[in-house]
Amino acid sequence: SQTIHQWPATLVQPVGSPLSLECTVEGTSNPNLYWYRQAAGRGLQLLFYSVGIGQISSEVPQNLSASRPQDRQFILSSKKLLLSDSGFYLCAWSVKGSPETQYFGPGTRLLVL
Amino acid sequence: GEDVEQSLFLSVREGDSSVINCTYTDSSSTYLYWYKQEPGAGLQLLTYIFSNMDMKQDQRLTVLLNKKDKHLSLRIADTQTGDSAIYFCAESTSSGNTGKLIFGQGTTLQVKP
Repeated sequence: SQTIHQWPATLVQPVGSPLSLECTVEGTSNPNLYWYRQAAGRGLQLLFYSVGIGQISSEVPQNLSASRPQDRQFILSSKKLLLSDSGFYLCAWSVKGSPETQYFGPGTRLLVL
Repeated sequence: GEDVEQSLFLSVREGDSSVINCTYTDSSSTYLYWYKQEPGAGLQLLTYIFSNMDMKQDQRLTVLLNKKDKHLSLRIADTQTGDSAIYFCAESTSSGNTGKLIFGQGTTLQVKP
């Protein structure tokens, strides 16, 4: 069966510090991968998605970047965090084809102080 | 453009039925989804419906789709306190093999004992 992991679960970082959040998927190959941000327990904002290794699409301009160095690994990064980067970050994966149902990880709660 | 709208809050008594509504704009959406998010957790897929179906039932959950009005609903029978959560409606997008979904803002369901 497939599983998705995210770490860390919680992170408190000072403004201006770097960020690296990791997401890995097990039990599937060549998935689509997604990073979302959820502010204040509300709606989801799609940040990045990837259809393959090294292929990253950005949905909104921002202080963050994403990379996919391996087939089942998706990393969210920042060189210098802003207060507005605080939020709940969710990673998701889907199998290419129809339906392309997305399955979510447990999330990382980031607090920038 | 593509958009998904949900009411923000619903309160019901334990044992009653809950109906959560959603409207969407992309008439070419192939699949429509319902996700559940408990506090501090990722999104859990509840069910999905193919756009050529009118209804889908899965135990206590009933999904109704009115494609003409672009209206989707989720009915939870015999609502329990454990059903308290945020419920997200999502539609698939006509974006090739990216698997992108458009999410609503989420409906917070409060179940009173």
